[in-house]
Amino acid sequence: EAQVTQNPRYLITVTGKKLTVTCSQNMNHEYMSWYRQDPGLGLRQIYYSMNVEVTDKGDVPEGYKVSRKEKRNFPLILESPSPNQTSLYFCASKTHGMNTEAFFGQGTRLTVV
Amino acid sequence: QKEVEQDPGPLSVPEGAIVSLNCTYSNSAFQYFMWYRQYSRKGPELLMYTYSSGNKEDGRFTAQVDKSSKYISLFIRDSQPSDSATYLCAMNEGKLIFGQGTELSVKP
Repeated sequence: EAQVTQNPRYLITVTGKKLTVTCSQNMNHEYMSWYRQDPGLGLRQIYYSMNVEVTDKGDVPEGYKVSRKEKRNFPLILESPSPNQTSLYFCASKTHGMNTEAFFGQGTRLTVV
Repeated sequence: QKEVEQDPGPLSVPEGAIVSLNCTYSNSAFQYFMWYRQYSRKGPELLMYTYSSGNKEDGRFTAQVDKSSKYISLFIRDSQPSDSATYLCAMNEGKLIFGQGTELSVKP
């Protein structure tokens, strides 16, 4: 089954404790992206990757890191989480092209206390 | 100015109503326009996409693009409670750019 898998689905952590949210896709997609979704602000792009070893900042990259060492994986790293990073996070992937569909993971609800 | 603007709602309508959801955008170079639907506690899923100007119909859903006004719309005819979700417009120019999403509730 074609899918984007995020882990964990839910996470509560403390300020400053490094964490990683994993994202994996099995569709051989070149493009992968991370978004955060907050009430009233919609989906905001954190980072995206057009292919292996190619990453770019989105609209809200501060406080986040990513890496793309393999095509299927695109982890999101919070080196020192803060409460303002409490949010719902989505990973997405798609093939290149303007009319291609993006497939989303189920989301990771992160709470930083 | 945001590249894509969408009224977040919430929008509440009775079952059977015609729903109109809208987005405006600032970049006249955008050519590909998409609508995603997101049910509660789920990731967004592609509903429809259109290229350039004009209309596209799929069952009860019609997507409309007016490039001269930089305005896109999604119409839902005979709305059903199962249509209750957040609807996000998106522009696809290599990377995806989303609107804020409009939360729709269709009451039985």
